[in-house]
Amino acid sequence: KQEVTQIPAALSVPEGENLVLNCSFTDSAIYNLQWFRQDPGKGLTSLLLIQSSQREQTSGRLNASLDKSSGRSTLYIAASQPGDSATYLCAVRNQGGKLIFGQGTELSVKP
Amino acid sequence: DAGITQSPRYKITETGRQVTLMCHQTWSHSYMFWYRQDLGHGLRLIYYSAAADITDKGEVPDGYVVSRSKTENFPLTLESATRSQTSVYFCASSDGTHKAFFGQGTRLTVV
Repeated sequence: KQEVTQIPAALSVPEGENLVLNCSFTDSAIYNLQWFRQDPGKGLTSLLLIQSSQREQTSGRLNASLDKSSGRSTLYIAASQPGDSATYLCAVRNQGGKLIFGQGTELSVKP
Repeated sequence: DAGITQSPRYKITETGRQVTLMCHQTWSHSYMFWYRQDLGHGLRLIYYSAAADITDKGEVPDGYVVSRSKTENFPLTLESATRSQTSVYFCASSDGTHKAFFGQGTRLTVV
């Protein structure tokens, strides 16, 4: 059974700091890994998708990496801003088609 | 408009009643998913579907029924609602194993 873990559960940083969010998964037989952002009371917004054959993806200040063999992914946020405050979730797509989520990291960026 | 829509956005129902949550997508995506989100549990997969007339259980299927007679629709039915099914429900779709897109959620309260 695939299990996805995100550490830390919550993180508070001052504005401008670079930060890393972690995601680990137990079964390396995945199609892809996707990072989402969720604002309070809202739905999920896709940030980055990394296919199993890829090592990283970048979008603006965001960079996601994937090490499938070790079952790990990181989301790097450069020069954090208060508007980055949200919950960040990672999800892995199993070869059976399931999309399994971690519990998320709640990020707070202080001005 | 293209996208994925859930209805209703808010629902209050009584214990024991049957309630159906609707999900509609306009992309003709093959995969569709239902999740529930609760504090302390993150997003948990209830059911998913790889195509019309193909459905499979997720992590927490008990008490729920799904059907998918048309590619664009994936209704979730609570046959006899219980208070433990009070939650926020999210529907998602993806084109094969590509990026998943989420609806805005349905907040269900069972009293």
